[in-house]
Amino acid sequence: SQKIEQNSEALNIQEGKTATLTCNYTNYSPAYLQWYRQDPGRGPVFLLLIRENEKEKRKERLKVTFDTTLKQSLFHITASQPADSATYLCALGETGTASKLTFGTGTRLQVTL
Amino acid sequence: NAGVTQTPKFQVLKTGQSMTLQCAQDMNHEYMSWYRQDPGMGLRLIHYSVGAGITDQGEVPNGYNVSRSTTEDFPLRLLSAAPSQTSVYFCASSSPTGRYEQYFGPGTRLTVT
Repeated sequence: SQKIEQNSEALNIQEGKTATLTCNYTNYSPAYLQWYRQDPGRGPVFLLLIRENEKEKRKERLKVTFDTTLKQSLFHITASQPADSATYLCALGETGTASKLTFGTGTRLQVTL
Repeated sequence: NAGVTQTPKFQVLKTGQSMTLQCAQDMNHEYMSWYRQDPGMGLRLIHYSVGAGITDQGEVPNGYNVSRSTTEDFPLRLLSAAPSQTSVYFCASSSPTGRYEQYFGPGTRLTVT
């Protein structure tokens, strides 16, 4: 069956360090992968999209990699700040299904001073 | 632009009652989706629509109905509420082009007793 795995345990890091979050999937052939941020009591907010033919995408302090051979995406936040503390969700989309994302369970990131 | 709006924010129902969760978007997006979010389960797709008059089932459609008579509105109906439907419900909209990013509403927290 199809499965998307993100670390269920919270990731605690110190301010200024790089946070790395993992998204692994099985039995999918995604056309693209997205990362969202979710704060408590709010809906997810889109951060980045990476397509199957792209290896890496960057946006300011964020970097996403996508390895379709390993079936894995890594999400990096450099120079982490306490304001980056949130839950981060990965989501897979298959060809022709822009309205039909499949989400991972999310990883909670806590950045401390 | 208000983006995606959802009403109500909170709702308590008794088992067997019916109700409609409202969702509206003012971005002229063709695609709209309903998700439920439960602890440890992530976001799961209930129903989605790729345009007015077109709807389809997602991963967990049982117990829910939808219709899409206009581009702007996508209500979700609970036919006979059950305690298993206690959850946070999110509506999202997206465009079929570009980054496929989904814009989420603030959510409705539903408790069925």
